[in-house]
Amino acid sequence: DTEVTQTPKHLVMGMTNKKSLKCEQHMGHRAMYWYKQKAKKPPELMFVYSYEKLSINESVPSRFSPECPNSSLLNLHLHALQPEDSALYLCASSQPRTGVFGELFFGEGSRLTVL
Amino acid sequence: GENVEQHPSTLSVQEGDSAVIKCTYSDSASNYFPWYKQELGKRPQLIIDIRSNVGEKKDQRIAVTLNKTAKHFSLHITETQPEDSAVYFCAAVASWGKFQFGAGTQVVVTP
Repeated sequence: DTEVTQTPKHLVMGMTNKKSLKCEQHMGHRAMYWYKQKAKKPPELMFVYSYEKLSINESVPSRFSPECPNSSLLNLHLHALQPEDSALYLCASSQPRTGVFGELFFGEGSRLTVL
Repeated sequence: GENVEQHPSTLSVQEGDSAVIKCTYSDSASNYFPWYKQELGKRPQLIIDIRSNVGEKKDQRIAVTLNKTAKHFSLHITETQPEDSAVYFCAAVASWGKFQFGAGTQVVVTP
């Protein structure tokens, strides 16, 4: 199984809503990532979890709240978002080997629209 | 921090011709350089990568070259086919977890 599965595929929410994006992988990877991608732009790193601990937060606004309940799951909780937060949110995973960077496996993404 | 520049932003080629995309990076500590292909509406997928102890790597019609001195790396696609049409992103990794992506190259292969 080399899949990273994201749900939902599409999400429309108002600025006062609370919603969550979910990501799951069963490759035994111990690093999981959230990226934001706008149209015709590269993925932009938001958060990285390593061994279920938050290791990188790229100064993301607090209206985005990540959670890593276990080594296979990654959530992104959304609250009081702005229309400019509309984007494709990509989850990725990799196997963090000390001193060696490994391939990122991306999910298909959750396309978020904030009204 | 790391800065990766990617050129060209768009590339149109005739089927069967070669395509070359170039990237430069700024952080001399970078030691891993993957290339990702993203088709419209799909996820980015790794197509080839190279590590800093290697100058060139080839996989069928795709090759990557790395010049560490000049901080350049390039993607070469030979005998292009319509299914090669996609956005290609280079990346450089200097510290764990931080994949710094280039801006992307839209490749269009016309039959």
